[in-house]
Amino acid sequence: DAGVIQSPRHEVTEMGQEVTLRCKPISGHDYLFWYRQTMMRGLELLIYFNNNVPIDDSGMPEDRFSAKMPNASFSTLKIQPSEPRDSAVYFCASSLSFRNRNTIYFGEGSWLTVV
Amino acid sequence: DQQVKQNSPSLSVQEGRISILNCDYTNSMFDYFLWYKKYPAEGPTFLISISSIKDKNEDGRFTVFLNKSAKHLSLHIVPSQPGDSAVYFCAAKEGGSEKLVFGKGTKLTVNP
Repeated sequence: DAGVIQSPRHEVTEMGQEVTLRCKPISGHDYLFWYRQTMMRGLELLIYFNNNVPIDDSGMPEDRFSAKMPNASFSTLKIQPSEPRDSAVYFCASSLSFRNRNTIYFGEGSWLTVV
Repeated sequence: DQQVKQNSPSLSVQEGRISILNCDYTNSMFDYFLWYKKYPAEGPTFLISISSIKDKNEDGRFTVFLNKSAKHLSLHIVPSQPGDSAVYFCAAKEGGSEKLVFGKGTKLTVNP
């Protein structure tokens, strides 16, 4: 089974530019999560979807962040405009709610640097 | 406001000895707890979990203990191996929610 696939693995961009991070969840999983990891805040949940529908976006920092899931095999996290404080590792994760009691599987992360 | 706290940012132990990683939580609605392990440049991977109806769960060298009255859980690794060197995250979820809340992690170093 292929795991959660994220792209790009690394992105360096200038302040003010738009950033789009992409995620392909594990096939058949019905939950998708976007997490952000920073030294200060650790791993924090930004938003999660169930069957492509956003369920909880209370962790999204501000209006500059948006996430979509147009179908069961693809999601995007967009930052527009980007700022240096958005520099972090962004993880996508997916799970199947009725198996293994909510174990979620993470991708390898997208390392974002905003200069 | 951190609902899941790992107060030790780092821990160093000798190979063959026991590693004990601690985690405290504040939300009494949490009913399921997990530990994830993370190597550099990789995503976190699931290690072991425990339901709130239990106080201990064991899987090979890894044992998780839960003390609900103290809102505390710990992960024991015996014996520790250099390959266990990683960042360990404690996570928790409320019943009826798919949302996992993570601590900030503890970096474990096992010295040969």
